[in-house]
Amino acid sequence: NAGVMQNPRHLVRRRGQEARLRCSPMKGHSHVYWYRQLPEEGLKFMVYLQKENIIDESGMPKERFSAEFPKEGPSILRIQQVVRGDSAAYFCASSQNAGQYFGPGTRLTVT
Amino acid sequence: AQKVTQAQTEISVVEKEDVTLDCVYETRDTTYYLFWYKQPPSGELVFLIRRNSFDEQNEISGRYSWNFQKSTSSFNFTITASQVVDSAVYFCALSAAGGFKTIFGAGTRLFVKA
Repeated sequence: NAGVMQNPRHLVRRRGQEARLRCSPMKGHSHVYWYRQLPEEGLKFMVYLQKENIIDESGMPKERFSAEFPKEGPSILRIQQVVRGDSAAYFCASSQNAGQYFGPGTRLTVT
Repeated sequence: AQKVTQAQTEISVVEKEDVTLDCVYETRDTTYYLFWYKQPPSGELVFLIRRNSFDEQNEISGRYSWNFQKSTSSFNFTITASQVVDSAVYFCALSAAGGFKTIFGAGTRLFVKA
């Protein structure tokens, strides 16, 4: 049973470009969570999604960030017009009942 | 509101020393889960333990042990006979029983010198 998969593992974008981060949850999991870890900080919750629904987006920046979890395919975290402050590690987690399983993260660098 | 506090920003020990990482949490939920994760220099999150709020028994796994005290809202982590490979950032975390978002502490960076 494969774990949570994220791709790409490393992503470099220039300021103003778009970043798309993908997360495939564990098989059978229908809940997906995105977290952001800024350099030298802990993980901060961004958004919680179930299939085709956003359940809690209280941690999402109001602009430029969006997330989806379609009926088919991975969850996508999309950052438009990236800025240097978006450079961080983005972790995805999935769950079905209790306990979240984390992916390896995507490290976004904005140059 | 939920909150996790790891007051120790960095700890430095010499190999074979014992070290305790502190974690204090706040929650209004009666049922919740507590976690510890290790983040080595490679960056991934390594799950160490999950503890249910109804289970206050201490747990030992090899050189690792955890002390959960509900009365003081603490969930401390001890590494016995530390090794260089233990050098990492350790995060304590809390989530409500529904399995929703997890609240992380700021982390404690552990340096183990040979």
